Amino acid sequence: IVLTQSPATLSLSPGERATLSCRASQSVSSSYLAWYQQKPGQAPRLLISDTSNRATGVPDRFSGSGSGTDFTLTISRLEPEDFAVYYCQLYATSPLTFGGGAKVEIK
Amino acid sequence: QLQLQESGPGLVKPSETLSLTCTVSGGSISSSSYYWGWIRQPPGKGLEWIGSIYYSGSTYYNPSLKSRVTISVDTSKNQFSLKLSSVTAADTAVYYCAIGPAAAGTVDYWGQGTLVTVSS
Repeated sequence: IVLTQSPATLSLSPGERATLSCRASQSVSSSYLAWYQQKPGQAPRLLISDTSNRATGVPDRFSGSGSGTDFTLTISRLEPEDFAVYYCQLYATSPLTFGGGAKVEIK
Repeated sequence: QLQLQESGPGLVKPSETLSLTCTVSGGSISSSSYYWGWIRQPPGKGLEWIGSIYYSGSTYYNPSLKSRVTISVDTSKNQFSLKLSSVTAADTAVYYCAIGPAAAGTVDYWGQGTLVTVSS
């Protein structure tokens, strides 16, 4: 299964809403979709698992949704620390699969 | 809170074997609740899962790397390891060790990553 993220780059201002898409090449169980945030020079950090469950300590401005082949990560109001690269991941399958990443940059 | 630290050579010659170790602190890895794995990221590119090992000893590898990868665990040392043979320049990447819930496959804990360059 291939995960395609779009757009590749999103240019927004602090306070704006970010909507990131992750599309699977075939239908997947929504229990097995996660999102990660990666900042330059750092390891990724788990944000959301099971499509919509925020990991411990993740602010509630981050939310996930979707089913079937289409999944979305929404950041309701961008904070300066949210400008980063985001990856979706399909798990509980082999091989584990990551999307190509989507960069949220400051406009 | 588990902490992971990768160690190993930062430079490997083409055709040789890349060997990395992940040392875990802050808790024991001797738990069937976890899997242990490796993920890599070529410079400026995305994430690629290399493989995972479970408490049972079962291993799962990325099909694209399967013929060259071995992941093992030493619970007595709280470590797990990666060996990647016959490396080429395409294997140059930041290598992350990772731990997550065995029942899922998310990566809940990441090492800081170590850059391995393949060059003569």
